[in-house]
Amino acid sequence: AQTVTQSQPEMSVQEAETVTLSCTYDTSESNYYLFWYKQPPSRQMILVIRQEAYKQQNATENRFSVNFQKAAKSFSLKISDSQLGDTAMYFCAFLPYNNNDMRFGAGTRLTVKP
Amino acid sequence: DAMVIQNPRYQVTQFGKPVTLSCSQTLNHNVMYWYQQKSSQAPKLLFHYYDKDFNNEADTPDNFQSRRPNTSFCFLDIRSPGLGDAAMYLCATSRGGYEQYFGPGTRLTVT
Repeated sequence: AQTVTQSQPEMSVQEAETVTLSCTYDTSESNYYLFWYKQPPSRQMILVIRQEAYKQQNATENRFSVNFQKAAKSFSLKISDSQLGDTAMYFCAFLPYNNNDMRFGAGTRLTVKP
Repeated sequence: DAMVIQNPRYQVTQFGKPVTLSCSQTLNHNVMYWYQQKSSQAPKLLFHYYDKDFNNEADTPDNFQSRRPNTSFCFLDIRSPGLGDAAMYLCATSRGGYEQYFGPGTRLTVT
């Protein structure tokens, strides 16, 4: 069974600074997807970024980028130039290829301070 | 805009009184999911439909049922809600094997 671990229950960052959220996972699969989802307070869960395991290049979406280390089974999210609107719960998620059973980490609550 | 819609956004029910939550989608995705999310926790998958095929998680209580009458709609039925069933219920959709798109959720209160 796959497990996803987010070891930082809470983090904070000053506006305009950079922050990195950690995620590790355990799997015997060789092909899979990894995702970061953002859930603002009382708002909808949205997809921030996705990474396909076979791609060596780290995914980037504007201010959001990942550091994907397949051998280490690590998938961290870097948020650059943090904004107040980045305040949210961030969930790391794992999805094997051709499978619908997505596994979430416990989440990291990020607070961006003015 | 293509989206996942959940109704109602807030639902209050009495202990033991059946309740139905609904989800609809305009994404034409073949997979629909129901999650339960309690405060500050990760979503917990209850079950999902792959087209018409129903897939129940092993630890989902029998109190929870689901129906998917067509591609666009999926319902979550809670037959006899208990206080422990108070939570946010999230619906999500995906093309099979790809990332999921979530609705805004229904917050269920049990009195």
